[in-house]
Amino acid sequence: AQTIHQWPVAEIKAVGSPLSLGCTIKGKSSPNLYWYWQATGGTLQQLFYSITVGQVESVVQLNLSASRPKDDQFILSTEKLLLSHSGFYLCAWSLVREEVFFGKGTRLTVV
Amino acid sequence: GDSVTQKQGQVTLSEDDFLFINCTYSTTTYPTLLWYVQYLGQGPQLLLKVTTANNKGISRGFEATYDKGTTSFHLQKASVQESDSAVYFCALVLQGGRALIFGTGTTVSVSP
Repeated sequence: AQTIHQWPVAEIKAVGSPLSLGCTIKGKSSPNLYWYWQATGGTLQQLFYSITVGQVESVVQLNLSASRPKDDQFILSTEKLLLSHSGFYLCAWSLVREEVFFGKGTRLTVV
Repeated sequence: GDSVTQKQGQVTLSEDDFLFINCTYSTTTYPTLLWYVQYLGQGPQLLLKVTTANNKGISRGFEATYDKGTTSFHLQKASVQESDSAVYFCALVLQGGRALIFGTGTTVSVSP
């Protein structure tokens, strides 16, 4: 069974519209959670990090926000999408902090 | 500041060829480096972890080593297969895992 589930798999959204992406971690207690962004053909850029419920650190400002409402859930959102938000969004988790495991990602296209 | 450099953007090989990918790093702390493999349309998969303590990791036929003299990490495989075609990233672990800095990735293409 998969440990990490991301939703949705893909989204096509209009500029200026809101966005909410999520991931759920199964079977792991109090994981560290991460959000990463990847441009097509590019490298991975860390966006957020969370060590526990209610605590989220922003690594880079991209007009996005993140929340951790439950131990096993991490949400990425914005009220107003920009064209530059297009890309591949990856949620990741770790228990041993030097081993980070990624989900399958959400492909976002902003038009 | 902390950084990682992965200069090889593209590597083209034939099956049974030797694969070697290199990353150099800069950090003031003892480095831990992770190697990831990303297949088309998927999230990165953790392939290997290398620290200055263990100097080497082996998984799925891949071997990762650490060279303190040149502040670099290497990923190698003796005999690649077409199924190894993917993008390989190195990532420097910072602050005990609070953040990862990724290299720019190496696209490996293996022809049969």
